Amino acid sequence: AAGVIQSPRHLIKEKRETATLKCYPIPRHDTVYWYQQGPGQDPQFLISFYEKMQSDKGSIPDRFSAQQFSDYHSELNMSSLELGDSALYFCASSSKNYNEQFFGPGTRLTVL
Amino acid sequence: SQQGEEDPQALSIQEGENATMNCSYKTSINNLQWYRQNSGRGLVHLILIRSNEREKHSGRLRVTLDTSKKSSSLLITASRAADTASYFCAMEYGNKLVFGAGTILRVKS
Repeated sequence: AAGVIQSPRHLIKEKRETATLKCYPIPRHDTVYWYQQGPGQDPQFLISFYEKMQSDKGSIPDRFSAQQFSDYHSELNMSSLELGDSALYFCASSSKNYNEQFFGPGTRLTVL
Repeated sequence: SQQGEEDPQALSIQEGENATMNCSYKTSINNLQWYRQNSGRGLVHLILIRSNEREKHSGRLRVTLDTSKKSSSLLITASRAADTASYFCAMEYGNKLVFGAGTILRVKS
């Protein structure tokens, strides 16, 4: 069965650079979620989109923005990167008829 | 804060034994989900239990939910070395999941 696809899987950036993470949800899923997991931490909710509209917002820094496109894929844009942004970034998707969120493999971002 | 708490933080058992992990939360939820994560890897969905359900089974997994105590438990029976992982409960509030701190389970063969 198709799963959530995230790209890239690994990303290394310098401080103050920008990064774009991509997420392709499971086919026919209309909701996308972004989570950040720091080393040894539990995942923290950043933001979610339903039918291309932002549906909920968590602890997402102002330096980050995200959107969901007409094909339901989503991108998380991160600017002015800081060392503390180094983390695993997970995307999850779900459909409105079922509450289970299915997670992608994550993008490991390292900021040097 | 809506964050849940899990206990124990770490659990080490022998293969074949049962493992029980507990999760408590503070505010009323829609649903509660359990996830598994191998070190540095993705989150694997294990089971979802709705707020009007009390118990749910899936293979060797048994999840209970007590909304009056705002707590849930995950029982893994007849554990295997491959069950070694971190286990997270996640409370569903609206459109987001709020994760507990996780339990690190180690199953020794």
